[in-house]
Amino acid sequence: LAKTTQPISMDSYEGQEVNITCSHNNIATNDYITWYQQFPSQGPRFIIQGYKTKVTNEVASLFIPADRKSSTLSLPRVSLSDTAVYYCLVGDDNTNAGKSTFGDGTTLTVKP
Amino acid sequence: EPEVTQTPSHQVTQMGQEVILRCVPISNHLYFYWYRQILGQKVEFLVSFYNNEISEKSEIFDDQFSVERPDGSNFTLKIRSTKLEDSAMYFCASTSYRAGNSPLHFGNGTRLTVT
Repeated sequence: LAKTTQPISMDSYEGQEVNITCSHNNIATNDYITWYQQFPSQGPRFIIQGYKTKVTNEVASLFIPADRKSSTLSLPRVSLSDTAVYYCLVGDDNTNAGKSTFGDGTTLTVKP
Repeated sequence: EPEVTQTPSHQVTQMGQEVILRCVPISNHLYFYWYRQILGQKVEFLVSFYNNEISEKSEIFDDQFSVERPDGSNFTLKIRSTKLEDSAMYFCASTSYRAGNSPLHFGNGTRLTVT
């Protein structure tokens, strides 16, 4: 499984756009990139997944450059309720999804 | 939206006692998982389960642990003789297919406190 590296923490203010970058230099050809959000005392929650270029859903966008060695989760106009830990995971269609390795994640703190 | 549900939300037990943590995965999912998260630490994979048998397990999942799907809806994790270091949040998850690009759907966990 490709190892991922993320910043340990980030601070932002309400209404700002937040970009969290994840490095995955050893990503394999078949690997997908998946982001999860975790609030205290809750289970991780799926946010978005992508393979290349850009993916957008109702809560976030995911930007993946051509070399796929990194990815950036973009949260538009964050609010206090977006304060959470964000995890970047990499896995392929031959990997047991459940063995996805959760790293340390990025603790995002949104301030008023 | 369908959810994974876990009971109880909090379980307190004495060292050496057996505990059973319960989970109801999303109904049309086929792959089930247990994870552990010690306070302030990473989410750690314990075991995956498919077609009524364990498909993979981690080093943490030793002989003290067992999993079962006793009926068509429940998925349980049993810790036979709890230790202080078993105190953690335990999360159940399910997916509709096995692949690494299958999003995991987590429950909100059971906080296990061993005294």
